[in-house]
Amino acid sequence: EAQVTQNPRYLITVTGKKLTVTCSQNMNHEYMSWYRQDPGLGLRQIYYSMNVEVTDKGDVPEGYKVSRKEKRNFPLILESPSPNQTSLYFCASSLTPGYGYTFGSGTRLTVV
Amino acid sequence: DQQVKQNSPSLSVQEGRISILNCDYTNSMFDYFLWYKKYPAEGPTFLISISSIKDKNEDGRFTVFLNKSAKHLSLHIVPSQPGDSAVYFCAASSLPGTPLVFGKGTRLSVIA
Repeated sequence: EAQVTQNPRYLITVTGKKLTVTCSQNMNHEYMSWYRQDPGLGLRQIYYSMNVEVTDKGDVPEGYKVSRKEKRNFPLILESPSPNQTSLYFCASSLTPGYGYTFGSGTRLTVV
Repeated sequence: DQQVKQNSPSLSVQEGRISILNCDYTNSMFDYFLWYKKYPAEGPTFLISISSIKDKNEDGRFTVFLNKSAKHLSLHIVPSQPGDSAVYFCAASSLPGTPLVFGKGTRLSVIA
């Protein structure tokens, strides 16, 4: 089944403790992206990647890092999480950036 | 500056009636538009799209209308069903190589 898999689905952590949210796709998509969804703010793009070793900032990249060492994986790294990063995170992939995305099921992160 | 605007955060419609969700955009370079549907605890899923060379695209109960001169698109759902209750995101892109820009979403509630 074609899908984007995110892990974990739920995570509660403390301020400053580094964490990684993994994202993997099995569709051989070149484009991958991370979003966060917050009430009243919709989906905001954090980082995206056009291909392996090619990443770029989205609208809200502060406090986040990404890497794209393999085509299928695009982890989101929070080196020092803060409470304002409490949010619902989605990974997405597609063949090209401007067309239909496949989204993961989401990761609900709470930073206390 | 929001390039894609969904000015109605929520909409309630009775079962069997028409639901009309609206979206406005400011970037005249946008040439491809999509609607995504999102249920709680799930990632957004692609619903329907339209290219700027068309003014209407239909898929079953869902129709998207595009008015380029007004920079406006709308999603019509006829007849509305309780299972259509979800958040709907409008998205747009200007070139195949540029990321989608999302609106903030409209929460549709279909009341039985």
